[in-house]
Amino acid sequence: DIQMTQSPSSLSASVGDRVTITCQASHDISNSVNWYQHKAGKAPTILISGASTLERGVPSRFSGRGSGTHFTFTISSLQPEDFATYFCQQYDRLPITFGQGTRLEIK
Amino acid sequence: QVQLQESGPGLVKPSETLSLNCTVSGVSISTYYWGWVRQPPGKGLEWIGHMYYTGNSKYNPSFESRVTISIDTSKSQFSLQLRSVTGADTAIYYCATCSGARCYELGFWGQGTTVIVSS
Repeated sequence: DIQMTQSPSSLSASVGDRVTITCQASHDISNSVNWYQHKAGKAPTILISGASTLERGVPSRFSGRGSGTHFTFTISSLQPEDFATYFCQQYDRLPITFGQGTRLEIK
Repeated sequence: QVQLQESGPGLVKPSETLSLNCTVSGVSISTYYWGWVRQPPGKGLEWIGHMYYTGNSKYNPSFESRVTISIDTSKSQFSLQLRSVTGADTAIYYCATCSGARCYELGFWGQGTTVIVSS
């Protein structure tokens, strides 16, 4: 199975801050990574597919980059509604696997 | 809009079968593959498997010997059965849409349902 090592596991930041989350894949997975947002008690939502493609309706402050084994997810200017858990997912090969998640908290 | 809602018992006894349903609305059951993902307490997400309405299915090898996913197109529902459960199967279970046989995108998710395995 492909392991997705996500860091940090938690992050404290303020409104307006720029934050970056990283996922490292155990094998080369090209650009086969998605990023999701999950708020407690709600359904997760996909934000970015194919490492860098913003899903329809997702604000442009969210972005993703990377290929091969190293991927990053950035929020350029945190908004109050962005405090949530974020996780990556690889789909290069089955079984699909996920990062452990990053809990983004208000400082 | 596409909505998914999990339902089923919140408590299952060890060695028994965990059974969950996911009711789909806002989209035809033939549009996507339909999958299950879980999150044990304090751990990351685990993909369990997914199925197309034709019966084509993919399962995580970690669960393959004791899992069945089925689809009832007449009810716009799909189901998960996980046999011989133990405490390690305690988790939040999510149903989700999968794009393609490789499940390259989980576009829509349910809110999740908590299942505790305990006697």
